[in-house]
Amino acid sequence: GENVEQHPSTLSVQEGDSAVIKCTYSDSASNYFPWYKQELGKGPQLIIDIRSNVGEKKDQRIAVTLNKTAKHFSLHITETQPEDSAVYFCAASNANRDDKIIFGKGTRLHILP
Amino acid sequence: DVKVTQSSRYLVKRTGEKVFLECVQDMDHENMFWYRQDPGLGLRLIYFSYDVKMKEKGDIPEGYSVSREKKERFSLILESASTNQTSMYLCASSSTFRARAGHGYTFGSGTRLTVV
Repeated sequence: GENVEQHPSTLSVQEGDSAVIKCTYSDSASNYFPWYKQELGKGPQLIIDIRSNVGEKKDQRIAVTLNKTAKHFSLHITETQPEDSAVYFCAASNANRDDKIIFGKGTRLHILP
Repeated sequence: DVKVTQSSRYLVKRTGEKVFLECVQDMDHENMFWYRQDPGLGLRLIYFSYDVKMKEKGDIPEGYSVSREKKERFSLILESASTNQTSMYLCASSSTFRARAGHGYTFGSGTRLTVV
């Protein structure tokens, strides 16, 4: 089955700098890669996703990149702000097969003032 | 706005008690999931259901059971609570159609359960 590895487990960046979280997956049939943000006291919320027919997707300050050959995908947050402090989860699934989404273990992002 | 509602934000129960965690979604989703979240371990799938009265074991089903009598409601049951079940429990739902379209899961806010 699918296995998703996520790094780093903790990341601290200065406000205004960029943050990058990286994930790898094992099942080459995976074609859907969502990213979730979990703020303190809340459940994870989908913030951006990418499908395997696209190499990059941007939404304001966040972007995701996908390298299908290497089975890597990454989340990039530019111009970080205090409200970006949260736990971020990457995930992978084969949406065509209605597979369960497999999550990485999460990255706790701290934005330093 | 679509919603997954978990009945309690915080619960404290005694060892050996039978505990019910309730989850309701208003999106007419077919699929519902229960996860537990512990520091350093991420989200671990306990049970899931693809339809009413259907259930399947996830990665860590031991000590838990579930019930799905209605499409909108998915209950997690701790038959005899133990201290190692102290955790944050998250419910999620998804649409089979939307999963194919790549829209992912919608999570509830979580129930933090403490077993003493």
